[in-house]
Amino acid sequence: EADIYQTPRYLVIGTGKKITLECSQTMGHDKMYWYQQDPGMELHLIHYSYGVNSTEKGDLSSESTVSRIRTEHFPLTLESARPSHTSQYLCASSGTQGAGETQYFGPGTRLLVL
Amino acid sequence: GQNIDQPTEMTATEGAIVQINCTYQTSGFNGLFWYQQHAGEAPTFLSYNVLDGLEEKGRFSSFLSRSKGYSYLLLKELQMKDSASYLCAVTTDSWGKFQFGAGTQVVVTP
Repeated sequence: EADIYQTPRYLVIGTGKKITLECSQTMGHDKMYWYQQDPGMELHLIHYSYGVNSTEKGDLSSESTVSRIRTEHFPLTLESARPSHTSQYLCASSGTQGAGETQYFGPGTRLLVL
Repeated sequence: GQNIDQPTEMTATEGAIVQINCTYQTSGFNGLFWYQQHAGEAPTFLSYNVLDGLEEKGRFSSFLSRSKGYSYLLLKELQMKDSASYLCAVTTDSWGKFQFGAGTQVVVTP
């Protein structure tokens, strides 16, 4: 069973607020990912990291930023939340055996911006 | 560009078999994954194919043909709990970054 955690699970917040979505994994995985998923829609990669101090933007443009100061921790920050940011955010991690490594997903954070 | 196609929805009765097809056109290929996602939950890993052929895992099997850019997931002896979205994902680089399809919603009826 994968040990990857996300907090908060649900967040309702007003427009203009700064928010940080937390993601932690205890598997020692080097690779971590953030996906955005609207209900019934596909997963879109918004950020990824291949190790400490390495972050890249994903295929879907996002106003969020990420940091990777520790292997186990990959937080996502929105400086000024807007209603268009309302979505589910899923964090995932995978090991270091190249392309065949399974990605393990956290439970997700459902964000509602009013 | 990257293109991964799956049917939007499939319906089958309990105890039956359902085959979910996935075709892909990507700039690279390093493996194909199938995930199951129940509504409101995170995706969970089902299977991985990198070589041509069939991989069997209990009630679930997955097939890959790299020359045709085609895979399928076969669900046998369907149970109500199998009602979920099934996601096809292709890794297109050596780092393991995924490209996901839109998912196929499987509805199992009594």
